[in-house]
Amino acid sequence: NAGVTQTPKFQVLKTGQSMTLQCAQDMNHEYMSWYRQDPGMGLRLIHYSVGAGITDQGEVPNGYNVSRSTTEDFPLRLLSAAPSQTSVYFCASSLRTVYNEQFFGPGTRLTVL
Amino acid sequence: GQQLNQSPQSMFIQEGEDVSMNCTSSSIFNTWLWYKQDPGEGPVLLIALYKAGELTSNGRLTAQFGITRKDSFLNISASIPSDVGIYFCAGSQAGGTSYGKLTFGQGTILTVHP
Repeated sequence: NAGVTQTPKFQVLKTGQSMTLQCAQDMNHEYMSWYRQDPGMGLRLIHYSVGAGITDQGEVPNGYNVSRSTTEDFPLRLLSAAPSQTSVYFCASSLRTVYNEQFFGPGTRLTVL
Repeated sequence: GQQLNQSPQSMFIQEGEDVSMNCTSSSIFNTWLWYKQDPGEGPVLLIALYKAGELTSNGRLTAQFGITRKDSFLNISASIPSDVGIYFCAGSQAGGTSYGKLTFGQGTILTVHP
């Protein structure tokens, strides 16, 4: 199993540009989530999904959209990037029965100029 | 939102020493977890705790779920250089709209000198 994969690993955007961060898992996990990590602030939940077709907001959802059309994929969309969205983004997945025990991807480092 | 206060923020120790770190909250959590993050990688789960008072070990790591359900502790015995990294606590509340949401502490940066 590849586990949780994320692409790209690095990305530089200009303010106002849009992009999609990709996340995929091959463990048949129902639960998937997106976090952002900023220095000194730990990880903060952006959006999460408990299954295909179901998504909900986390702690910091503004400026981000998600969809879950399949069990395997959970892309994160930035519609109009802002410098405040410069961060490291992590995708995670878990079985719904033990949703707290999350497996994290390697992260995407995003810089918005 | 909920906050977890993790301390210390950083630690510099000699190889072979024991390490202790803790996490506190003003809210009750029904699950406490400890993750480790190596540079350039995503966090990896070390220990999960599901019952107040629970004490769980994973090799040289031992974690405890506080009796008040508002805190948790992680101890590392006989540290080695590969213990270097950032350690995060995380908590989860039961049921309702909190389902599926983890709250993370700010992290403890551990440096081990050979």
